[in-house]
Amino acid sequence: EPEVTQTPSHQVTQMGQEVILRCVPISNHLYFYWYRQILGQKVEFLVSFYNNEISEKSEIFDDQFSVERPDGSNFTLKIRSTKLEDSAMYFCASRLEAHGYTFGSGTRLTVV
Amino acid sequence: RKEVEQDPGPFNVPEGATVAFNCTYSNSASQSFFWYRQDCRKEPKLLMSVYSSGNEDGRFTAQLNRASQYISLLIRDSKLSDSATYLCVVNSGGYQKVTFGTGTKLQVIP
Repeated sequence: EPEVTQTPSHQVTQMGQEVILRCVPISNHLYFYWYRQILGQKVEFLVSFYNNEISEKSEIFDDQFSVERPDGSNFTLKIRSTKLEDSAMYFCASRLEAHGYTFGSGTRLTVV
Repeated sequence: RKEVEQDPGPFNVPEGATVAFNCTYSNSASQSFFWYRQDCRKEPKLLMSVYSSGNEDGRFTAQLNRASQYISLLIRDSKLSDSATYLCVVNSGGYQKVTFGTGTKLQVIP
């Protein structure tokens, strides 16, 4: 079964540092997403990406965040200057039109 | 009213029992509805989409009530392996963004 692959599985970073979370969506999927889940809380939408541009973003997705699809297979989330409250599980997801989302196994980001 | 609301539970049920969860949503323009399952510290996994006419997949039945703006999930003959958090997921109009409920925790007891 096709998978969404995320790397690394766990990243520890110091406050103020930049991090890049990587995702390889399913190859024929058209829509790409980042979600996050703070421990014990619900899954929250960050951003959606279609046709090489951001199609929607939440209030969480401020100027510190950016996304890229640099080469047609990878989909990255960059956090420019991490804060303690950015510590969460970050899930990448992809889907075809009108189908459910397939999530990657997540990157656990710990900001210290 | 929250965009997507679920009873957090936990629902503790014996093996073999039937259990049902409801989820209400606030946006009447929502078009797509899903149930996901999430095991502890794992990613959400699609359990089933929810169609207007209701749909069944083995022991699982999903229903949509547009008039009252809720969806439901029924699990028959519960197994120990059904223990997980069940997430109600609703799109917010268009396909770009979905909103997750906080999840309902199910614990199936031997």
